[in-house]
Amino acid sequence: EIVMTQSPATLSVSPGERVTLSCRASQSVSRNIAWYQQKLGQAPRLLIFHASNKPTGIPARFSGSGSGTEFTLTINSLQSEDFAVYYCQQFADWPRTFGQGTKVEIK
Amino acid sequence: EVQLVQSGAEVKKPGESLKISCKTSGYTFTKHWIGWVRQMPVKGLEWMGVIYPDDSDTRYSPSFQGLVTFSVDNSISTAYLQLSSLKASDTATYYCGRVDFDNFFDNWGQGTPVTVSS
Repeated sequence: EIVMTQSPATLSVSPGERVTLSCRASQSVSRNIAWYQQKLGQAPRLLIFHASNKPTGIPARFSGSGSGTEFTLTINSLQSEDFAVYYCQQFADWPRTFGQGTKVEIK
Repeated sequence: EVQLVQSGAEVKKPGESLKISCKTSGYTFTKHWIGWVRQMPVKGLEWMGVIYPDDSDTRYSPSFQGLVTFSVDNSISTAYLQLSSLKASDTATYYCGRVDFDNFFDNWGQGTPVTVSS
């Protein structure tokens, strides 16, 4: 099973700052990774797929990068609605696995 | 618009069984995988597995194999998650979602909270 490790566990930031979240895979997943946002009390929402692609409707301030075992989700100019937990997920191998999440909280 | 609407919150006793529904609309149900995710209280997301409605091809994550059952009713575009012999450790919110080619969730249900307590 591929283990996805996210860092940091919690990130305290101020609105308007740029945020970088990391996700590391225990073995190469090529670019077969997705990122989700989950706000408190809500279902997750797909932000990024195939490492850097965005579904329709995801704001331009969200971007993803990386390949192999190292991946990054960047949020430019953090907005108040972006405070949430972010998860990465690999789909290179079965079983699909999620990272443990990074909580982005208000500083 | 793609929509997945799950059945409501449940409170069960240990040993009982439970079937959660996930009614879909806005797309061709039989041509997209449906997946299930568990989220225990204050914890992260766990991939339980997927089912392909067209032929009921099912793939369970090893952690959930033998503990849960996925099914579908194509006539009403609805997927089901069945849990049997419930334990307190089954207390969680369960999400269904449409899965892109058995890869990632591109749409999610609202979640079904389940509490198992004597």
